[in-house]
Amino acid sequence: GAVVSQHPSRVICKSGTSVKIECRSLDFQATTMFWYRQFPKQSLMLMATSNEGSKATYEQGVEKDKFLINHASLTLSTLTVTSAHPEDSSFYICSARTGTGSSQPQHFGDGTRLSIL
Amino acid sequence: GDSVTQMEGPVTLSEEAFLTINCTYTATGYPSLFWYVQYPGEGLQLLLKATKADDKGSNKGFEATYRKETTSFHLEKGSVQVSDSAVYFCALSEGYGGSQGNLIFGKGTKLSVKP
Repeated sequence: GAVVSQHPSRVICKSGTSVKIECRSLDFQATTMFWYRQFPKQSLMLMATSNEGSKATYEQGVEKDKFLINHASLTLSTLTVTSAHPEDSSFYICSARTGTGSSQPQHFGDGTRLSIL
Repeated sequence: GDSVTQMEGPVTLSEEAFLTINCTYTATGYPSLFWYVQYPGEGLQLLLKATKADDKGSNKGFEATYRKETTSFHLEKGSVQVSDSAVYFCALSEGYGGSQGNLIFGKGTKLSVKP
């Protein structure tokens, strides 16, 4: 149980392109979804937290106009990297959590490797 | 603020060796503690968790005990296998306030197990 599907797994595109990444909870309803960025050999950096039906909460230093997050339903959140540039190349990982409270674990997708040429 | 410190890797062991990956935390509240594992090219998988002091989380032969007195949550396994090679992340989930439920990760420890 608690499967999170993230798509696509890999994207290679030209500079200036906008890229959309989907995150779906397949067998549970996710009240909260999280988006992380991971640089090579480093830990995960939380970018934003989104609750279904409300605006995402962005971490300090993350441009909300650059990284658009939509959490339209209890099973789907999308991250759109707008006008991507080479410095946006990274591994993006989403996670989803059902319920509230610190004891509820987050369940992670397999990540999206984004490469901007 | 809350933080997680885990031993730096990489850690290289022979198959069937004993594994310990140290993890300590600082928190102002009563966090829940987690170990996640990341295999190459994949996202993170929850390995085990503990939600209160003295709880022991266990899964797939791995164990970790929530020690409030030493603010630690060390990961152990009695006999590692080649298939355990991965990066292991210790994390805490803040227990109160606006950031409740957000995960704070350690930097990760890469484990390589040689046959």
